[in-house]
Amino acid sequence: AQSVSQHNHHVILSEAASLELGCNYSYGGTVNLFWYVQYPGQHLQLLLKYFSGDPLVKGIKGFEAEFIKSKFSFNLRKPSVQWSDTAEYFCAVREGGGADGLTFGKGTHLIIQP
Amino acid sequence: GAGVSQSPSNKVTEKGKDVELRCDPISGHTALYWYRQSLGQGLEFLIYFQGNSAPDKSGLPSDRFSAERTGGSVSTLTIQRTQQEDSAVYLCASTSSYEQYFGPGTRLTVT
Repeated sequence: AQSVSQHNHHVILSEAASLELGCNYSYGGTVNLFWYVQYPGQHLQLLLKYFSGDPLVKGIKGFEAEFIKSKFSFNLRKPSVQWSDTAEYFCAVREGGGADGLTFGKGTHLIIQP
Repeated sequence: GAGVSQSPSNKVTEKGKDVELRCDPISGHTALYWYRQSLGQGLEFLIYFQGNSAPDKSGLPSDRFSAERTGGSVSTLTIQRTQQEDSAVYLCASTSSYEQYFGPGTRLTVT
């Protein structure tokens, strides 16, 4: 069974700092990769996704992620965070080509201090 | 258009009672997913429907959990004889392709 690891459970940054959240998965075949965000009191929203092609994907709100197949990683990055980026971030994976449910990491709670 | 809706938004029940949670997917979305979000466990996949059939029930934690979907639309997740460990937020998502759109969830508290 596939698994997803998010190594940073809690991250605290100051505004304008750069962000990188780690995500590693275990499945060796073709995968679809996702980052979701959950702002306080809101439901999960898709930040970005990777299915194929350019391994550097850009999402909403200035976020991007890079798929590195050799490292089984899909790290999320943002060059300059804002206070409004305070949220819970979830990495998720699904075996490619299917419609199966997503396997999520346990999430990273990001707090941006003004 | 309207997003995924779930009801109730909050449910408090006594241990041993049955509960029914409802999900209204986005109109036209063929696939529907149920997840559970609990403290320390993150998001766990429970079951998914393609139309009215459930190809994958592998995530249901026990036989007290069941789900159905009728008319290719509304789905209900039923938990029988609830236990305290069932306390969590139950999320529903629907999709017409690869992107899953999530509802606001039902927060279940078993006392």
